Amino acid sequence: GDSVTQMEGPVTLSEEAFLTINCTYTATGYPSLFWYVQYPGEGLQLLLKATKADDKGSNKGFEATYRKETTSFHLEKGSVQVSDSAVYFCALPAYSGAGSYQLTFGKGTKLSVIP
Amino acid sequence: DADVTQTPRNRITKTGKRIMLECSQTKGHDRMYWYRQDPGLGLRLIYYSFDVKDINKGEISDGYSVSRQAQAKFSLSLESAIPNQTALYFCATRDSYNEQFFGPGTRLTVL
Repeated sequence: GDSVTQMEGPVTLSEEAFLTINCTYTATGYPSLFWYVQYPGEGLQLLLKATKADDKGSNKGFEATYRKETTSFHLEKGSVQVSDSAVYFCALPAYSGAGSYQLTFGKGTKLSVIP
Repeated sequence: DADVTQTPRNRITKTGKRIMLECSQTKGHDRMYWYRQDPGLGLRLIYYSFDVKDINKGEISDGYSVSRQAQAKFSLSLESAIPNQTALYFCATRDSYNEQFFGPGTRLTVL
């Protein structure tokens, strides 16, 4: 079935370092792709999304490009801040039967940014 | 006010007790979800509901039940709690563009 695989964490970076969190997907079609972020003590919230191949989602300095050739949706940020410390989840809608789709999440990658 | 609220935020209970976790939303979405989060396992879907009359089992529904009392309310019950149900539980809604909106979570500890 449709699924996402994201890099294992944790990831620790110094402030202003470049961030990449890898996400690859397996899907029968071209579903929308999402990155969610979970800050400490909070629920998940949408960070960015892309709805079709070659789309680039962006928000808060983060970017991810939907690449069908490599079935990837890697999350990047050029200069991370301490406030970016969180857990990041890649997700896609996976078919769950009876014509419905449910979001399937990767296992999450914990990012810690140190001053 | 938060769009998706969960009560309680924290709960400690004993093995065998019945527990109910409640979720309310003001977003007007028909679709609601219950997930559990465990370290290293990500989020796993317990139950979901497309409307008041439509309840569906998710990946890990055994040991759980749900009730959709109204469009805005979706509760999760553990009829007889066991220690391996210790986890962080999230309620979520979903809009027509597949974006999900999560509550703040309930941390449940079963002793």
